[in-house]
Amino acid sequence: QQQVKQSPQSLIVQKGGISIINCAYENTAFDYFPWYQQFPGKGPALLIAIRPDVSEKKEGRFTISFNKSAKQFSLHIMDSQPGDSATYFCAASFSGGYNKLIFGAGTRLAVHP
Amino acid sequence: DADVTQTPRNRITKTGKRIMLECSQTKGHDRMYWYRQDPGLGLRLIYYSFDVKDINKGEISDGYSVSRQAQAKFSLSLESAIPNQTALYFCATSDTRQGQNTEAFFGQGTRLTVV
Repeated sequence: QQQVKQSPQSLIVQKGGISIINCAYENTAFDYFPWYQQFPGKGPALLIAIRPDVSEKKEGRFTISFNKSAKQFSLHIMDSQPGDSATYFCAASFSGGYNKLIFGAGTRLAVHP
Repeated sequence: DADVTQTPRNRITKTGKRIMLECSQTKGHDRMYWYRQDPGLGLRLIYYSFDVKDINKGEISDGYSVSRQAQAKFSLSLESAIPNQTALYFCATSDTRQGQNTEAFFGQGTRLTVV
C-alpha cells in the first residue's frame, strides 16, 4: 500500500514533442505528490509538486495532472528539449509522516534533436 | 557551496569493512534523511531524523546505522559492508510549513562500491 508505481521505465521523444510519465499510488493518506528531476552525477531536484485539492498544476512547460479518484498522477513536458533529458521520479508522502518520500522507480527520458 | 554536502563522493571498500558516509547541511532544516538509489528501484529510505534525539528506521535499515551529531550533521554507517550495498546514497533535508510537507533538498550523492 506504500508503493508508487511509475511508467514507462524509459522514454524517447523528439525535440518539440510531448513527454508523458505516469504514476499510480494506493495509499489514500498521501497528500503531497512531487516530481523530481535528476541529471547524471547529481542529486534529485524538485521539479514541480501538487497537493490533492487541485487536479492540475502548471509551471512553464511542466504540468502535473492529478486524478484523485483513480489514484493516479502524471507529468507532462510540453515542447520537450534536449536539455530535459534526465531521469524523472514521481513520489508521494503524507502530512505527519516526517515527509518520508515514497519514490517511483524512475523514468529515463531522452529527447532527441 | 552546496546546501547539502556529502562526503566522500565516491568510495570503493572491501567486504566486511566499516564505512561512514557523512552529510552536512546549511539550510537550517530539522529533518534529515538517508536514501539509497538502485537502478530500476528508485530511491528507498534507509533512516530519517527529526532532530538529534529522534532517529527512525526507514524501509531498508538492515545493515545500516546512523548518527545525528548535530542539527546540521547526519552520518550513515555500514558496520560490515557487503556487495549488495553497492549503490548510490543520497542525504536529504526538508522542512515543514504549517504542518504540510515541502520540498526535500538532496546532496550530490555518494557512489559506494563494495568489492
